[in-house]
Amino acid sequence: QVQLVQSGAEVKKPGASVKISCKTSEYLFVKSFLHWVRQAPGQGLEWMGIINPINPSGRTTVYAQKFQGRVSMTSDTSTNTVYMEMDNLRSEDTAVYYCARSYSTYDKFDYWGQGTLVTVSS
Amino acid sequence: EIVLTQSPGTLSLSPGDAATLSCRASQSVTRTFLAWYQQKPGQGPRLLIYGASTRATGTPDRFSGSGSGTDFILTISRLEPEDFAVYYCQQHVEYPYTFGQGTKLEIK
Repeated sequence: QVQLVQSGAEVKKPGASVKISCKTSEYLFVKSFLHWVRQAPGQGLEWMGIINPINPSGRTTVYAQKFQGRVSMTSDTSTNTVYMEMDNLRSEDTAVYYCARSYSTYDKFDYWGQGTLVTVSS
Repeated sequence: EIVLTQSPGTLSLSPGDAATLSCRASQSVTRTFLAWYQQKPGQGPRLLIYGASTRATGTPDRFSGSGSGTDFILTISRLEPEDFAVYYCQQHVEYPYTFGQGTKLEIK
């Protein structure tokens, strides 16, 4: 069974950083591209970017313009885990953050993690 | 970026009814790159339809997708209680990938 397992909920103060993890199997890690999508309370889905887990600094790692410079996606091949770090958090960043998998770059998202709630509050 | 506009925002129907959900793109999207997702309260999205009309594994055949260019439709032929949820369309042909704002299908 395909699984993307995300880290637990976080509570952060404005201006802080958060780092969320998404762990998968070795097979999927090398056969996937992973995306980060967020969903503010009661709102829709917002794509943040895509990472190639086995070549995270390559051309196939792309950030949505809105998040460039504030979000960093990385991977750890030893643990089959990808990470999304967001700096300078604001209250508007309060959301559930999902990782999602696609087989290739321009492909549908066939599996999703369970989501990680990030709450930004003073 | 490609803007996807879904209508209606909310659809109130009864079990057994048929549902028609619309997704309109601000520019043409090749069918291959149009997907539909279902999201139930407290859960993450689940892939329902991809390539505009291909059912994902586990999607019942009462769900069907159609359309091309800028206009796409998700049809549920006969609503079951478990179908009441929020539905999103998505384009994955061009960065940034975008989703429609969602259609909430609620029990009348």
